[in-house]
Amino acid sequence: AAGVIQSPRHLIKEKRETATLKCYPIPRHDTVYWYQQGPGQDPQFLISFYEKMQSDKGSIPDRFSAQQFSDYHSELNMSSLELGDSALYFCASSVDATNSYEQYFGPGTRLTVT
Amino acid sequence: RKEVEQDPGPFNVPEGATVAFNCTYSNSASQSFFWYRQDCRKEPKLLMSVYSSGNEDGRFTAQLNRASQYISLLIRDSKLSDSATYLCVVNPYNQGGKLIFGQGTELSVKP
Repeated sequence: AAGVIQSPRHLIKEKRETATLKCYPIPRHDTVYWYQQGPGQDPQFLISFYEKMQSDKGSIPDRFSAQQFSDYHSELNMSSLELGDSALYFCASSVDATNSYEQYFGPGTRLTVT
Repeated sequence: RKEVEQDPGPFNVPEGATVAFNCTYSNSASQSFFWYRQDCRKEPKLLMSVYSSGNEDGRFTAQLNRASQYISLLIRDSKLSDSATYLCVVNPYNQGGKLIFGQGTELSVKP
């Protein structure tokens, strides 16, 4: 079965640079979520989109922005990167119509800021 | 206090053992509950949703006690491949939205 696809899988950036992470949800899933997992931490919710509209917002820094496109893929844009942004970034998708709200995670993008 | 709290780990058990994980959540309005497993440096994988009546999937049994705001996961006849971190997860909204994760309990199954 098709899963959530994320790219790139690994990214190394320097402080103050920008990064763009991409997420392709499971086919027919209409909702996309972004999570950040720091070393030794549990995943923290950043932001979500349903039908291309922002549906919920968590602890996402103002330096980050995201959007969902007409083909349902999503991008997380990160600017003025800081050392503390080094983390695993997961995208998850779900289909709201089933009312199960089960979220399926992609393999993640490991971002290292040096 | 974290919104979702789990037993601290790690749990080290022999193959074939039965192991139980417990979890409490603070938001009494929460509606959806899940157990995920996460292998080292990989994505969380949905193990099972947790329903009010309790549910079972093979060797795995999940229970929910809304009055006590308590969730449990029982693994019977544990296998080496069950070694992972088990995450108790709550969706507080009863709609598509953020998941709140517990800190996870590490399980190590030994031969």
